[in-house]
Amino acid sequence: KQEVTQIPAALSVPEGENLVLNCSFTDSAIYNLQWFRQDPGKGLTSLLLIQSSQREQTSGRLNASLDKSSGRSTLYIAASQPGDSATYLCARGGAAGNKLTFGGGTRVLVKP
Amino acid sequence: ETGVTQSPTHLIKTRGQQVTLRCSSQSGHNTVSWYQQALGQGPQFIFQYYREEENGRGNFPPRFSGLQFPNYSSELNVNALELDDSALYLCASSLVPGIRDEQFFGPGTRLTVL
Repeated sequence: KQEVTQIPAALSVPEGENLVLNCSFTDSAIYNLQWFRQDPGKGLTSLLLIQSSQREQTSGRLNASLDKSSGRSTLYIAASQPGDSATYLCARGGAAGNKLTFGGGTRVLVKP
Repeated sequence: ETGVTQSPTHLIKTRGQQVTLRCSSQSGHNTVSWYQQALGQGPQFIFQYYREEENGRGNFPPRFSGLQFPNYSSELNVNALELDDSALYLCASSLVPGIRDEQFFGPGTRLTVL
């Protein structure tokens, strides 16, 4: 069974601190790994997509890495801001074009 | 370029009823996937449609069915609603499977079953 795990389930940091969010998956034969942000009661906003042939992707203050051998991906958010408060979800893409398998998410609170 | 849209935003039904949820794909996308997200959990894959044909299905019973239309919009139908069907239903669109596969999500439909 393909599983995706995100630990911790919740995280609280002071403004300005760097955020490190973890995602682990059981099957190394992934197609891609996608990180999303979700605000309460809202849909998902795509942050970064890492193809299986890549090791990392960067966008502004966000950097995501992928290590297939250890079954891990990490999302780094530099210099966190209160506006970064949200739930962050990682999702493993299986066969091309097929379903995403999501982790349970990490709920982040950035305190001013 | 328009994003993914879903309607309605909220819906309240009673147990045993039927419901239809709608999704318009992002411009240029021909693949749509539907997900169910229970409160406090990650989304669960229901099924995917590509060129009006089902292209993969998750662990959901047959009372969950779908359609994709020639303009790539889509419907999710749920028959014989149960209390556990209360959730946020998300649709996501993407380009032809096998290329970039980045999925873009709509705002969701919140379904409450009483």
